[in-house]
Amino acid sequence: SSELTQDPAVSVALGQTVRITCQGDSLRGYYANWYQQKPGQAPVLVIYDKNNRPSGIPDRFSGSRSGNTASLTITGAQAEDEADYYCNSRDSSGNHVVFGGGTKLTVL
Amino acid sequence: QVQLVESGGGVVQPGRSLRLSCAASGFTFSSYDMHWVRQAPGKGLEWVAVISYDGTNEYFADSVKGRFTISRDNSKNTLYLQMNSLRAEDTSVYYCAKEVLVVGTTGPYWYFDLWGRGTLVTVSS
Repeated sequence: SSELTQDPAVSVALGQTVRITCQGDSLRGYYANWYQQKPGQAPVLVIYDKNNRPSGIPDRFSGSRSGNTASLTITGAQAEDEADYYCNSRDSSGNHVVFGGGTKLTVL
Repeated sequence: QVQLVESGGGVVQPGRSLRLSCAASGFTFSSYDMHWVRQAPGKGLEWVAVISYDGTNEYFADSVKGRFTISRDNSKNTLYLQMNSLRAEDTSVYYCAKEVLVVGTTGPYWYFDLWGRGTLVTVSS
């Protein structure tokens, strides 16, 4: 399968830890990248490859993978982390890109 | 300034065509594979197409294969998406994105490190 599955919505209390997951067969061969998108804005890369953060992304964001499931963890969620989060990877052919359906994160 | 700027969106009737452009600046455009990604109103991201850095390889999502073509002009630092036989379901914000490919010690990895702000395409009669 070339699909990536994410929970549609997740909530977290301010300052607490939240994990957003992404499941798919292609993740057994490829790591997921994670993007944050706020309303009306373009996506922004927050995690790539195993667990790498681009410059400017806070270290409260981290990534991991176990089997066919990738996870984005936010340790000590802040109000500004409220956004949609998307995972992506390659399909089994390696030629096509696939995105998860996105997870809307609400910070309470 | 490192940026991607899309243009060419608008309102178009079903069955008609439209060409989007993505102007790149601030980096060596000819060294990177480039993608188009779209997002229907209120929906998630959907990958559309990719073109290799030299224009020799192209791949498309099944939803647009045979209707859309992707091209680039490295002398003009510009990426294009030609959209033919447009349908209502093609209504989306279209983003261009730059792919970074790294050959690491444990294998290659890739990611989209730069996105444009998008251009809205509305297919409606």
